[in-house]
Amino acid sequence: AQSVTQLDSHVSVSEGTPVLLRCNYSSSYSPSLFWYVQHPNKGLQLLLKYTSAATLVKGINGFEAEFKKSETSFHLTKPSAHMSDAAEYFCVDVYNTDKLIFGTGTRLQVFP
Amino acid sequence: GAVVSQHPSRVICKSGTSVKIECRSLDFQATTMFWYRQFPKQSLMLMATSNEGSKATYEQGVEKDKFLINHASLTLSTLTVTSAHPEDSSFYICSAARQSNTEAFFGQGTRLTVV
Repeated sequence: AQSVTQLDSHVSVSEGTPVLLRCNYSSSYSPSLFWYVQHPNKGLQLLLKYTSAATLVKGINGFEAEFKKSETSFHLTKPSAHMSDAAEYFCVDVYNTDKLIFGTGTRLQVFP
Repeated sequence: GAVVSQHPSRVICKSGTSVKIECRSLDFQATTMFWYRQFPKQSLMLMATSNEGSKATYEQGVEKDKFLINHASLTLSTLTVTSAHPEDSSFYICSAARQSNTEAFFGQGTRLTVV
């Protein structure tokens, strides 16, 4: 069965330092992978998506993710964290064209 | 991007009563809507998939008689939690897709507390 693993439930960084949120998938076929962000009391917002066009995907707010098939990973990165990046981040895989498999989420804390 | 509105954002109800949650796509027609439930410290779990004009498809382990889903139009789907119990307290979130789900648009979610 397909699954998505987010290796860290919590990540804490200082403002201005790099962010790394890890995600591994287990699709037996070429996955469609997404990163979503959920700010408190708001709906999920799409950060970026991988659809096999390019392995390095750039998203909104300076985030990017690299698809590595050999490692079955799709880690989310940002060179410099901002206080407003504090939120819950979900890595998601799509299967059967219309069903989403969510990771357990990673809560990002950003300290001044 | 497309907007999905979910209402209410928070609701508290007594055990044994029913609660209805609405999910509306405001600026596009959603042929498919999804309902998810988020347990504390766990990932979002798909409960059911609803297609406009047809019966919802429920995931294994989800009681369809307890969680009634209606998708009467291309812009509205509702989830009714019937005879709610405290263990139904959770965060429920909907998403909508135009067709094949290359991108999902999510509602703000509903925090349900059953007392």
